[in-house]
Order: sequence, then C-alpha cells, then structure tokens
Amino acid sequence: SQQGEEDPQALSIQEGENATMNCSYKTSINNLQWYRQNSGRGLVHLILIRSNEREKHSGRLRVTLDTSKKSSSLLITASRAADTASYFCATRYTGANSKLTFGKGITLSVRP
Amino acid sequence: EAEVAQSPRYKITEKSQAVAFWCDPISGHATLYWYRQILGQGPELLVQFQDESVVDDSQLPKDRFSAERLKGVDSTLKIQPAELGDSAMYLCASSLVGGETQYFGPGTRLLVL
Repeated sequence: SQQGEEDPQALSIQEGENATMNCSYKTSINNLQWYRQNSGRGLVHLILIRSNEREKHSGRLRVTLDTSKKSSSLLITASRAADTASYFCATRYTGANSKLTFGKGITLSVRP
Repeated sequence: EAEVAQSPRYKITEKSQAVAFWCDPISGHATLYWYRQILGQGPELLVQFQDESVVDDSQLPKDRFSAERLKGVDSTLKIQPAELGDSAMYLCASSLVGGETQYFGPGTRLLVL
C-alpha cells in the first residue's frame, strides 16, 4: 500500500489550544494535501504543499513538509469546537498518472 | 458556490440486490472520481474518468461494479449483486483537468443487509 500514515489516530484538546497532526509516507511525492471530513460528510480540501516547498500557511493552518524524513505536519492554531472532524493526509506520488492516496485519518475532538 | 451533487444520500439494500449511485460534478470539471470509504479508513479510489473515458479503474471490482459517464458530465456507479462487504460510504469528487484539488460531494452511505 502507498498510504500515508497519520499520527496520532485520535487527538482531544481544549478550545483555544493548538492541534498538531503528523503524516508519514513511503516514496517520493509530487505533493501532499490535507483534507477535513466532518462526521458523515464529504471531504473538504484544506491545503496543498508541493515537494519543493517546506512550509505553507492558510489562515489558522500551517503545514510543513520534510522530504528527507518523508513526513508532514498540520498545525491548527487557536482551535475551535467547529474544528472537530477527521483529518486526512493525501499524497500524490511521482510517476505518470499517479493517483491521490489517502491515509486512515486522525480524529480531532475540540472540547468547548 | 458550486458543489458536487450525489444521490441518494443513504441506501439500504439486501445482499444480492442491485444498487446505483449518481454523481453530478462541478460544471466544467472534466475529471471525475469515485471513491469507497470504509468506516474508520481513508477514501480509496475505485475509478477515475477524464470526460467520458476511464483513466484508472484498477481498484474497481469489475465482477460486480460498473461505472459510466456517457456524456462526460454526470456519472453512475452500479453494484450488482451487492455483498455485505460493500457497506461503506461512496464518495464522488471532481477536478479540473490537471487540477490538484479535488472537490467532494456529500457521499452516499450504503448499508447491505
């Protein structure tokens, strides 16, 4: 399997705290993406980072990529109860017609 | 804001029956994807279309699953006959040609009894 692996599997924090989620992958990538899924719903794209980038920001989101360690992290600052969801990293590996491959996800619970 | 539409949202069927799911992508999105998501797992690609042509169906169980996108717009995914192990969320997504971001619909939750 070429899935990325997220860590931890579940995370529970208090509103206002920061949440850090990690993703590791196995082979060279073109880009890595993070998606959010609210309970029983479809996925929403959050942020994309390319293999030649090291850090990107989008609002309260910060994603880093370390290609030497084949890992990425997603930081959500000043979390809100509405951030409660499952978060997935998805990788697009190098190679022709490479598909987007999702990990198993991280369940984030933000307590009010 | 344009969205990917899917129907039905929920489907309960008995094993050995046929089921069909429909997806209408965002207007102008030539690439359409069908994913299956088992509870507690990430989505897994079943089939990818570019307009009306299949680009990747390597993970589609072709003995029971079929997918079509006849006019290159909306798409139908069919399962016949359904098995207990097919219980899952079926997600449709679309993107621009070469677009990296995929836009997902709300999904169809299938329960096979």
